[in-house]
Amino acid sequence: SYVLTQPPSVSVAPGKTARITCGGNNIGSKSVHWYQQKPGQAPVLVIYYDSDRPSGIPERFSGSNSGNTATLTISRVEAGDEADYYCQVWDSSSDHAVFGGGTQLTVL
Amino acid sequence: QVQLVQSGAEVKKPGASVKVSCKASGYTFTSYGISWVRQAPGQGLEWMGWISAYNGNTNYAQKLQGRVTMTTDTSTSTAYMELRSLRSDDTAVYYCARVDFITMVQGATAWFDPWGQGTLVTVSS
Repeated sequence: SYVLTQPPSVSVAPGKTARITCGGNNIGSKSVHWYQQKPGQAPVLVIYYDSDRPSGIPERFSGSNSGNTATLTISRVEAGDEADYYCQVWDSSSDHAVFGGGTQLTVL
Repeated sequence: QVQLVQSGAEVKKPGASVKVSCKASGYTFTSYGISWVRQAPGQGLEWMGWISAYNGNTNYAQKLQGRVTMTTDTSTSTAYMELRSLRSDDTAVYYCARVDFITMVQGATAWFDPWGQGTLVTVSS
């Protein structure tokens, strides 16, 4: 089955740029979606189709996907961005969804 | 607005079954699917499967095949997830989510938006 690999944690100072990676075999050929989950809350979609933002998600959130790595970029990081972030793809060969293990973003 | 509201927390004994509901509002229920995702304490997200609200077709994670059943009631726009033969490692928060499923030339993709508030299922003797 398809495997997505994320770093367990990323730290960034307020106002700086955070980059959270999601690795997978030829992931550039798939569409990657990203979710933000704050403690005690349900996940929220922040990026879909590699780089599209749902309504209500700040422009500070962006995504890219190429080769074996997809990246969620959060610009001008704020304290309120502190959360767990998960990448997700749809594996067409099995018709199953696959989640990465999640990355805890800490704002210093 | 689009909303999914789940049933309340459950406490079950090992070997029992649990059925969680997910009531949708704010959109045409049969135009989307519903997926179920669970999260064990302190762990990541685990996809359990999905059901088409249009025709009732299902697809379950291999790990749960034979123990899980997903259904829908289109008359009430409600989806259900039943898990049988519960074990302690089934203790988790269970989420439903609306599935946006797109078929493209290069293959299909699907994402989940929005999510229900979650239902805590505790399995303990």
